[in-house]
Amino acid sequence: QKEVEQNSGPLSVPEGAIASLNCTYSDRGSQSFFWYRQYSGKSPELIMSIYSNGDKEDGRFTAQLNKASQYVSLLIRDSQPSDSATYLCAVRTGGGNKLTFGTGTQLKVEL
Amino acid sequence: GAGVSQSPSNKVTEKGKDVELRCDPISGHTALYWYRQSLGQGLEFLIYFQGNSAPDKSGLPSDRFSAERTGGSVSTLTIQRTQQEDSAVYLCASSDNGLAEAFFGQGTRLTVV
Repeated sequence: QKEVEQNSGPLSVPEGAIASLNCTYSDRGSQSFFWYRQYSGKSPELIMSIYSNGDKEDGRFTAQLNKASQYVSLLIRDSQPSDSATYLCAVRTGGGNKLTFGTGTQLKVEL
Repeated sequence: GAGVSQSPSNKVTEKGKDVELRCDPISGHTALYWYRQSLGQGLEFLIYFQGNSAPDKSGLPSDRFSAERTGGSVSTLTIQRTQQEDSAVYLCASSDNGLAEAFFGQGTRLTVV
């Protein structure tokens, strides 16, 4: 079992719709969770961090964490073509808090 | 500096040569990470430095790869006797501590010919 798993996609949504990106992790002791956006040919850019169960909202982005289910998600409201990118879930794993990434979900927002 | 700085941005080297990649983290950040990303692939963990603790080297793919972090700041990733399969983008990130958000540099694109 991979430490951090994401559906590779592509996930296609129409402009203006809600995009829902999901991630599961295996280390039940994980404490910190992050979403990054990566445009083609660029380095990952931090979008959201979440540390407690529940929802955390920042503009059009909402991160959701459920530690009991070992599940973290990212919702993007009013999706725009500029949101088209690969979204990486990252989790701090292990006693040393190594930052482990999923393989990413490619999002395509269509006009 | 304002962000994580990596150099060089691009490096082309001949198979069998040694290369050094440099990462200058955000000032004051105690944690530093190296990842490798091959074309169209995800981020592969290489090594993690946290303060004065022994680094987590569990991701280094072979003994040709090594990294050091001098004075708790700048880090150098060294690849000896480069092979074509080493061609990738090498990304460095730093964070304020072992729990906080990590920020990436622009990466070094390594091409082994």
